[in-house]
Amino acid sequence: NAGVTQTPKFQVLKTGQSMTLQCAQDMNHNSMYWYRQDPGMGLRLIYYSASEGTTDKGEVPNGYNVSRLNKREFSLRLESAAPSQTSVYFCASTLAGDEQYFGPGTRLTVT
Amino acid sequence: GENVEQHPSTLSVQEGDSAVIKCTYSDSASNYFPWYKQELGKRPQLIIDIRSNVGEKKDQRIAVTLNKTAKHFSLHITETQPEDSAVYFCAASKSSASKIIFGSGTRLSIRP
Repeated sequence: NAGVTQTPKFQVLKTGQSMTLQCAQDMNHNSMYWYRQDPGMGLRLIYYSASEGTTDKGEVPNGYNVSRLNKREFSLRLESAAPSQTSVYFCASTLAGDEQYFGPGTRLTVT
Repeated sequence: GENVEQHPSTLSVQEGDSAVIKCTYSDSASNYFPWYKQELGKRPQLIIDIRSNVGEKKDQRIAVTLNKTAKHFSLHITETQPEDSAVYFCAASKSSASKIIFGSGTRLSIRP
């Protein structure tokens, strides 16, 4: 099992550009999450999907959109990147609201 | 909404001593309380968790205690070792498949 995978690992964008961060899990988990972690800071929930076909806003959803493509995949889209979105983005999944398994993260820099 | 506060933000202890990190939560319906460890440049990983029907749980040098009345829970690490140096996050959630809210983290340093 690969667990939770994320692509890309690193990305540099110019202000105003768009991109999609991809996340996939092979553990048959029901729920998936997107977090951002700013330097020296905690994990802030952007969006989550409790089950296939549903998505909900977290603490900091502005500037982002998500798609739960199927049970395995949950993508995060930045339509018009801003320097304030420079961060490390983690995807996570859980079977039934218990242990969250995190992906390796995507380090995004917006200039 | 749910809020989780974590203290202290940084903690430095002598190798071999104990470390305690404390968290409080706001939603009395919360029933699952995990602790994650994040080493520098790595992803967070679960180290121990506790549910609301249990007051204490131990796993070797790590223990977690929960006081539902006061709405706080704590992580205890005994006989600290250099490899315990990391950032530790507490979290709380209140039902399966719901969102989980993390505390702001504690950077633990072990002095040799």
